[in-house]
Amino acid sequence: GDSVTQMEGPVTLSEEAFLTINCTYTATGYPSLFWYVQYPGEGLQLLLKATKADDKGSNKGFEATYRKETTSFHLEKGSVQVSDSAVYFCGEGSQGNLIFGKGTKLSVKP
Amino acid sequence: GAVVSQHPSWVICKSGTSVKIECRSLDFQATTMFWYRQFPKQSLMLMATSNEGSKATYEQGVEKDKFLINHASLTLSTLTVTSAHPEDSSFYICSARDRLAGSNEQFFGPGTRLTVL
Repeated sequence: GDSVTQMEGPVTLSEEAFLTINCTYTATGYPSLFWYVQYPGEGLQLLLKATKADDKGSNKGFEATYRKETTSFHLEKGSVQVSDSAVYFCGEGSQGNLIFGKGTKLSVKP
Repeated sequence: GAVVSQHPSWVICKSGTSVKIECRSLDFQATTMFWYRQFPKQSLMLMATSNEGSKATYEQGVEKDKFLINHASLTLSTLTVTSAHPEDSSFYICSARDRLAGSNEQFFGPGTRLTVL
């Protein structure tokens, strides 16, 4: 069945460092791809999405490109801030459901 | 837009009692809502898919008699944890899909922290 694999954390970075969180998926067809963020004690919020190959989703300085040839949707940010500390979930959606990776906890130190 | 609320945000109950958690889509209609349970170390487990006006579809391993789901309207789904025990303590999150939107995007509620003593 469909699945999502994302890099395991925790990831600890200094403020203004470059961030990459890898995500790959297996799915038949052409799923939509998502990154959700969960701040401490809260539910999940959509960070960005891409619905077809080569689309780039972006929001709040984060970017991810839908790469069908490598079945990947890696999350990147050029300069992280302390406020970006959260858990990040990669997800793929097809057939009406969302399948999530296990989440990557990011801690950004000042 | 696309706001989902949950009530209560946290609840503490005694072992053996039942707890109801509400999930509401505030500004859109959701024919489909989803219930997740989040375990320590953050992993999310889909418990069930709730369809308005029909029975919920439970994931393998989830006890349907213990986790009762009702989706009586296009904006409300409820999860009742019956005869709760300490091992049911967890963070329960619901999500909803906008029936008018084309993508598979889900909008998540803020979660409900359940502690069973």
